[in-house]
Amino acid sequence: GAGVSQSPSNKVTEKGKDVELRCDPISGHTALYWYRQSLGQGLEFLIYFQGNSAPDKSGLPSDRFSAERTGGSVSTLTIQRTQQEDSAVYLCASSLRSGSFFGPGTRLTVL
Amino acid sequence: QQPVQSPQAVILREGEDAVINCSSSKALYSVHWYRQKHGEAPVFLMILLKGGEQKGHEKISASFNEKKQQSSLYLTASQLSYSGTYFCGTENSGNTGKLIFGQGTTLQVKP
Repeated sequence: GAGVSQSPSNKVTEKGKDVELRCDPISGHTALYWYRQSLGQGLEFLIYFQGNSAPDKSGLPSDRFSAERTGGSVSTLTIQRTQQEDSAVYLCASSLRSGSFFGPGTRLTVL
Repeated sequence: QQPVQSPQAVILREGEDAVINCSSSKALYSVHWYRQKHGEAPVFLMILLKGGEQKGHEKISASFNEKKQQSSLYLTASQLSYSGTYFCGTENSGNTGKLIFGQGTTLQVKP
């Protein structure tokens, strides 16, 4: 596709369940980011992938969060044993060194 | 590590000017500016690289003072469509590509 896509667009889950969020970056973009945005708040950095380098995981809030990027393209953010404070919009962005392009986000609601 | 934006919020009348500042405590390699409208993903406006360059996009321009580790976004003759939240994203020296965003500045342009 022409832009960054994310799925699902909305996810409602129960506390304690695991969730997987998917990001399809723009083809050819070597950099991929995950950010979290709580209601009315800023963009909280989670993790950054650049080419074949080891990802920068310094923003992951706990060991319940993990992410991988397969084949330098699609990325999956996994949250295990979800908590209510995990509720937020999770945004993925990809870049080729000239500005990042964001996907529409996945709105996660943990009940 | 997170850049600091000021002001937090601005209310303007159509045609008025505004300046949004972004400051970092660490040396910067680049500064990126984004605008996010309510319920939408952030949209890339421009990128400035170290060297003190200034860029413009119609009536929106920005400057980057590497020595002061800050950038400013200038909105002149504001239009209703300029309303939204503006985020600066900074990349620290080392050209790692990792972008950390400020907390955002909410701009409201009234008729």
